[in-house]
Amino acid sequence: EIVLTQSPGTLSMSPGERATLSCRASQTVTSSYLAWYQQTPGQAPRLLIYGASSRATGIPDRFSGSGSGTDFTLTISRLEPEDFAVYYCQQYGSSPITFGQGTRLEIK
Amino acid sequence: QVQLQESGPGLVKPSQTLSLTCTVSGGSITSGAYYWSWVRQHPGKGLEWIGYIYYSGSTYYNPSLKSRITISADTSKNQFSLRLSSVTAADTAVYYCARSDDYIGAMDVWGQGTTVTVSS
Repeated sequence: EIVLTQSPGTLSMSPGERATLSCRASQTVTSSYLAWYQQTPGQAPRLLIYGASSRATGIPDRFSGSGSGTDFTLTISRLEPEDFAVYYCQQYGSSPITFGQGTRLEIK
Repeated sequence: QVQLQESGPGLVKPSQTLSLTCTVSGGSITSGAYYWSWVRQHPGKGLEWIGYIYYSGSTYYNPSLKSRITISADTSKNQFSLRLSSVTAADTAVYYCARSDDYIGAMDVWGQGTTVTVSS
């Protein structure tokens, strides 16, 4: 099973700033099958990024993903108020599908 | 567009079987190369993939839960279901159904989730 470790656990930032979230895998993620999700309280996760760097339909271009192998990054270029949420990475290249423990992005 | 809706009892007694259904609207569960998954989230915790059923009917389960899980589909009702046997308090969670496909791979459509509490 691939273990995904996200850092930091909590990120305190202000609107307009640039946020960088990390996801490290315990083994190589097959074919960069790495996704990022955003979850706000009481809501289901929303797909942001798939294939490590492809934005899902309707996702603003301030969200970008990068990385390969075992190290992946989600970058939010200019934080909007609605971006403060919990973010999860997920690998779907190896079974079982696994998620990171999440990074909470909070308003400073 | 495709929408998913979970349904089922919100309270299950310990040792009993949890049964949930996901109703798919706006598309057929047998059309296209789609995977129909169940994911759960323990209170205040992260996400755990439970398993999926492929559009062809084949299934794959998380090994950590495999001995207690059955995922099946009712194509006539355009639904797929989860059965989790011998539940304990550790199975208390929000349960989501979700869709993925061979192209995107990740889960691009989610239900709103349903809370299941295991308690006597």
